[in-house]
Amino acid sequence: DGGITQSPKYLFRKEGQNVTLSCEQNLNHDAMYWYRQDPGQGLRLIYYSQIVNDFQKGDIAEGYSVSREKKESFPLTVTSAQKNPTAFYLCASRSQGSNEKLFFGSGTQLSVL
Amino acid sequence: DQQVKQNSPSLSVQEGRISILNCDYTNSMFDYFLWYKKYPAEGPTFLISISSIKDKNEDGRFTVFLNKSAKHLSLHIVPSQPGDSAVYFCAARAVGGGTSYGKLTFGQGTILTVHP
Repeated sequence: DGGITQSPKYLFRKEGQNVTLSCEQNLNHDAMYWYRQDPGQGLRLIYYSQIVNDFQKGDIAEGYSVSREKKESFPLTVTSAQKNPTAFYLCASRSQGSNEKLFFGSGTQLSVL
Repeated sequence: DQQVKQNSPSLSVQEGRISILNCDYTNSMFDYFLWYKKYPAEGPTFLISISSIKDKNEDGRFTVFLNKSAKHLSLHIVPSQPGDSAVYFCAARAVGGGTSYGKLTFGQGTILTVHP
């Protein structure tokens, strides 16, 4: 079954700690995205990558970092500089020419201890 | 600056009736619109989309209407079913290529509850 796998489903972060959220896809999609969802708000774009070894900041990139060393993988690191990290994080991917139809993973809920 | 707005946080509808979810946008550069459906603790799934060159797109029980002059789109679900209960997000893409291609701007979402 093709799809997007996010892990872990739940993650807790201690103050001052960096944590990394995993996102893997076997859809052979070129583009991958990280969104953040807060209660009562829409999804906000953190980072995106159109091809391997290239990525761009989204609307709320501060306090986050990403890498795209492989087509299948787009991990997101929430650094200690992100002062309000508690949110639901969603990874998505899209094939070229699919006219913006994003496929989403099942998400990771990050909470601060 | 909220470029895509869903002003109704929630909507309650009786099973079998019509559900109408609304979405307004401010950016005249948006040329493609999508609706996503999301269940709790899951990722959104694509529902239906419409290009700015059309004013209506239909897929089974779901129809999206676009009024470009009013910068308004709506999703109609007829007939509504209890399984339709979820959060619905509208999203928009701006014209342009390069590094902005593929970015979607989402609304805040509307919680739809369909009562049996």
